[in-house]
Amino acid sequence: NAGVTQTPKFRVLKTGQSMTLLCAQDMNHEYMYWYRQDPGMGLRLIHYSVGEGTTAKGEVPDGYNVSRLKKQNFLLGLESAAPSQTSVYFCASSYTGSHSYEQYFGPGTRLTVT
Amino acid sequence: RKEVEQDPGPFNVPEGATVAFNCTYSNSASQSFFWYRQDCRKEPKLLMSVYSSGNEDGRFTAQLNRASQYISLLIRDSKLSDSATYLCVVNSGYSTLTFGKGTMLLVSP
Repeated sequence: NAGVTQTPKFRVLKTGQSMTLLCAQDMNHEYMYWYRQDPGMGLRLIHYSVGEGTTAKGEVPDGYNVSRLKKQNFLLGLESAAPSQTSVYFCASSYTGSHSYEQYFGPGTRLTVT
Repeated sequence: RKEVEQDPGPFNVPEGATVAFNCTYSNSASQSFFWYRQDCRKEPKLLMSVYSSGNEDGRFTAQLNRASQYISLLIRDSKLSDSATYLCVVNSGYSTLTFGKGTMLLVSP
């Protein structure tokens, strides 16, 4: 199994450009999450989804949108990129949303906004 | 007060040493506790869950003190391959987790 995959692995954007990050999981997990990780800040939750067609805001949702049209995919969109969105983005999934279940992470997308 | 606090380190130890990390959390209602490991430029991976009675997995022992709201991780007989950042993780709701900023461990020959 591939587990959780993320596309692309690296990207450089200019301020104001838009892009979509794709997360895919093949474990039939219900719950999916988008985090960003910045030096000295740790992992912070952006948005998450409790199932196909549903999304919810996390700790730092501003400037991002998400969609979960298919159970196996969770998309993170940046409509107008800003330098403050330079970060490493991790997607994760879990079997259920219960906090007792392990979250499996993708390899990350390194985004630089100039 | 930050939700999950850890000493960032780095902890520099020689091979074979025993090292311990602590973590404090602010939400007294939290019910699930974990240690994740993150290698440099890689994704976090679950190292172990932390149970109220304490639990051990090989060279790793995790303890939970609910009264004082802290979690510990003990690594015995450190290996070079243990070099990584260790993330303390606590649930922040039914479906979400809060990650500490991590403690860096460097094991030297």
